[in-house]
Amino acid sequence: DQQVKQNSPSLSVQEGRISILNCDYTNSMFDYFLWYKKYPAEGPTFLISISSIKDKNEDGRFTVFLNKSAKHLSLHIVPSQPGDSAVYFCAASGGSNYKLTFGKGTLLTVNP
Amino acid sequence: DTAVSQTPKYLVTQMGNDKSIKCEQNLGHDTMYWYKQDSKKFLKIMFSYNNKELIINETVPNRFSPKSPDKAHLNLHINSLELGDSAVYFCASSQEIMSAARVNYGYTFGSGTRLTVV
Repeated sequence: DQQVKQNSPSLSVQEGRISILNCDYTNSMFDYFLWYKKYPAEGPTFLISISSIKDKNEDGRFTVFLNKSAKHLSLHIVPSQPGDSAVYFCAASGGSNYKLTFGKGTLLTVNP
Repeated sequence: DTAVSQTPKYLVTQMGNDKSIKCEQNLGHDTMYWYKQDSKKFLKIMFSYNNKELIINETVPNRFSPKSPDKAHLNLHINSLELGDSAVYFCASSQEIMSAARVNYGYTFGSGTRLTVV
């Protein structure tokens, strides 16, 4: 049962353009959402998060949008850079045990 | 100075063997985790310890036994290894961070241990 879904396994974008990565969730108890970035042979690294009391959180080139009614969140990267090429994981949690449920990841390739 | 370090990075072993993966964090975090990334690339939680106490134990075969000698260490021991145990195992740690909005936290992951059972 996939509670966090990233339906696009891959995305290719030109350098300087916007990258939009999407994530859907099914569990209404989720109230905290995170994006992680992963390079090959490395562990995922925390990128940005958003609480369910907000609908937008921005950090430099990265913005996460949350649409609670649609149970959908997205990560926008503007402008995209070749160094952003990595696998991006969406994750969600709810409750007090800090357990994160991850999506399957989307491979972003930013072409020079 | 690595924040969450796991050893070994690669582990190739035969079916039926017993092996351990070690994890140490120097971040002072209270909570540590083991995640498994299988061939389908899903990252799934296996165990979580908070201050040496088991708080999450997902449906994992009892051949897998975590051990936390102190809050900076969480080791994973696997008995009678099977082909299906082949995966990348990630250790992680986290700490509550109070903010104006709510409690925020983010995991810090180790670089992973690629286990191959032959």
